[in-house]
Amino acid sequence: AQSVTQLGSHVSVSEGALVLLRCNYSSSVPPYLFWYVQYPNQGLQLLLKYTSAATLVKGINGFEAEFKKSETSFHLTKPSAHMSDAAEYFCAVSLNSGGSNYKLTFGKGTLLTVNP
Amino acid sequence: NAGVTQTPKFRILKIGQSMTLQCTQDMNHNYMYWYRQDPGMGLKLIYYSVGAGITDKGEVPNGYNVSRSTTEDFPLRLELAAPSQTSVYFCASSRQGLSGNTIYFGEGSWLTVV
Repeated sequence: AQSVTQLGSHVSVSEGALVLLRCNYSSSVPPYLFWYVQYPNQGLQLLLKYTSAATLVKGINGFEAEFKKSETSFHLTKPSAHMSDAAEYFCAVSLNSGGSNYKLTFGKGTLLTVNP
Repeated sequence: NAGVTQTPKFRILKIGQSMTLQCTQDMNHNYMYWYRQDPGMGLKLIYYSVGAGITDKGEVPNGYNVSRSTTEDFPLRLELAAPSQTSVYFCASSRQGLSGNTIYFGEGSWLTVV
């Protein structure tokens, strides 16, 4: 079984400030981890994914995330927030195993607002 | 450059009515999924399919049915709509199982049951 916890349903930052969105996972086998972004009234778009290669993963729009097995974390960061980053962000996990690898389990989401 | 296409985008249903949400993908993906998204709850898997003719239940299948007669299409049927089915529905697809493969989402269908 797997689960995802996103700490903070709402994060507010100033334009130019560091963005840090927290995600912790629980998985009985090595996980695949994802971050998705959802802009208002749109579908989800993949930001980045961890698939057991490099632990530091770089994604689109200047975002990156680091897989830390000891902390069971996969936090999303961006050095300098832009107004266009305002959106809802979802962390998700799927199992790295043949039997249940269809299932993507999502966190509840973190709404990021960026203040001018 | 269509990807995953869902219709309709918005729909209002009366309690007890039925409807079908259409989903088609042009990426020749084997796996297709239906999720529902409720405020503050993330996305929950309703049904999924690993190929034409094969479907299976996800976390929240009650009140829904699906079929997969072709690789491209994966419609979701709501029978006897209830207010609890008011939600945003997302269809998605991936080349195979999610083991690191990217899942592509449609733009969503907003359904209100009154």
